[in-house]
Amino acid sequence: AQSVSQHNHHVILSEAASLELGCNYSYGGTVNLFWYVQYPGQHLQLLLKYFSGDPLVKGIKGFEAEFIKSKFSFNLRKPSVQWSDTAEYFCAASNFGNEKLTFGTGTRLTIIP
Amino acid sequence: KAGVTQTPRYLIKTRGQQVTLSCSPISGHRSVSWYQQTPGQGLQFLFEYFSETQRNKGNFPGRFSGRQFSNSRSEMNVSTLELGDSALYLCASSLGLAGGPVTQYFGPGTRLLVL
Repeated sequence: AQSVSQHNHHVILSEAASLELGCNYSYGGTVNLFWYVQYPGQHLQLLLKYFSGDPLVKGIKGFEAEFIKSKFSFNLRKPSVQWSDTAEYFCAASNFGNEKLTFGTGTRLTIIP
Repeated sequence: KAGVTQTPRYLIKTRGQQVTLSCSPISGHRSVSWYQQTPGQGLQFLFEYFSETQRNKGNFPGRFSGRQFSNSRSEMNVSTLELGDSALYLCASSLGLAGGPVTQYFGPGTRLLVL
């Protein structure tokens, strides 16, 4: 069965700390991978996506993610977090050409000023 | 370009009633997907519509249904509401190009409370 796992449920960091959120997927076929962010009171926004090519993808607001096929992982990183990064982060996957997204359970990120 | 819009934003219903939620996709987008978000189950795919036809379906009971109109706007309906249907219902739209990479953009959601 297709699944996406996020093992960090709640991460608390101080401003300027580096961030890495884990995401593992179990998918057959060609997989598309996404990170979405949900700021408090706002709707889900796309941070970045991977379809093919360079496994290191850059997104908005200084975020990046690396696709490691051998590890079935797509971890999200940011070198220096800000208080405004406080939000819930969702990893998601779909098969190429398919609209159905499977989401991980989300990681709540709290940044302490 | 305007984003995905959903109406109403908040809704309170009682058990046994039915509800209809509406979604207007981004202009030019032809695919609309619906998701249910709850604290316990997270984000779960309900169904997807493209060109007025249901193209994908998740594992929800038949009480959950949807439709899409010729202008790509979509509605979802939940009949015989249960307490467990209380959730944030999210709509997402995409270009819907067959065989190509898909990027979905989400609306603000409709928060449904069933009493």
